[in-house]
Amino acid sequence: DIQMTQSPSTLSASVGDRVTITCRASQSISSWLAWYQQKPGKAPKLLIYKASSLESGVPSRFSGSGSGTEFTLTISSLQPDDFATYYCQQYNSYFRTFGQGTKVEIK
Amino acid sequence: EVQLVESGGGLVQPGGSLRLSCAASGFTFSSYWMSWVRQAPGKGLEWVANIKQDGSEKYYVDSVKGRFTISRDNAKNSLYLQMNSLRAEDTAVYYCASDDSSGYSHYWGQGTLVTVSS
Repeated sequence: DIQMTQSPSTLSASVGDRVTITCRASQSISSWLAWYQQKPGKAPKLLIYKASSLESGVPSRFSGSGSGTEFTLTISSLQPDDFATYYCQQYNSYFRTFGQGTKVEIK
Repeated sequence: EVQLVESGGGLVQPGGSLRLSCAASGFTFSSYWMSWVRQAPGKGLEWVANIKQDGSEKYYVDSVKGRFTISRDNAKNSLYLQMNSLRAEDTAVYYCASDDSSGYSHYWGQGTLVTVSS
């Protein structure tokens, strides 16, 4: 199975900061990568698909990049609503896998 | 509006069984792969299983193979997860999700909690 590794596990940042989260795949997944945001007690919400395509309605401060085995999610200017946990997911294989998550906390 | 509503969760003893359901509306259910994803308390997301539009292909995470069965009824716009031989480590919120044609989970339900404990 394809393993997904996110870093860091926790990130402390302030409103207005530029934030970058990294996701690495154990083998090439082309651009078949999605990013989700999850807030406590809520279902995950799709942010980015195909590594860099922004889901409709998601603010443009979110962006994704990468291909192959290394990917990044960037929040250009962190807003109060962005404090949450972020997950990457590969869908190159029918056996989907998620990264372990990155919690973005208030500094 | 797309809606996915899970039901069937609850408290079950180790070794017991439970059947989760997911009622879909607001989209053509029969045209989409569907998935189950779970989240143990305080832990991350774990993909559990998915099923093709016509039910002809199903895939499972290793930890549930042989114990869980995913199925669907397109006439009833419903997805199911039959869970047998439940273990404490199956305790989680279970989400159903509809998958885009390329494979990412586009829409999610609110989840249903399964607790396996004596």
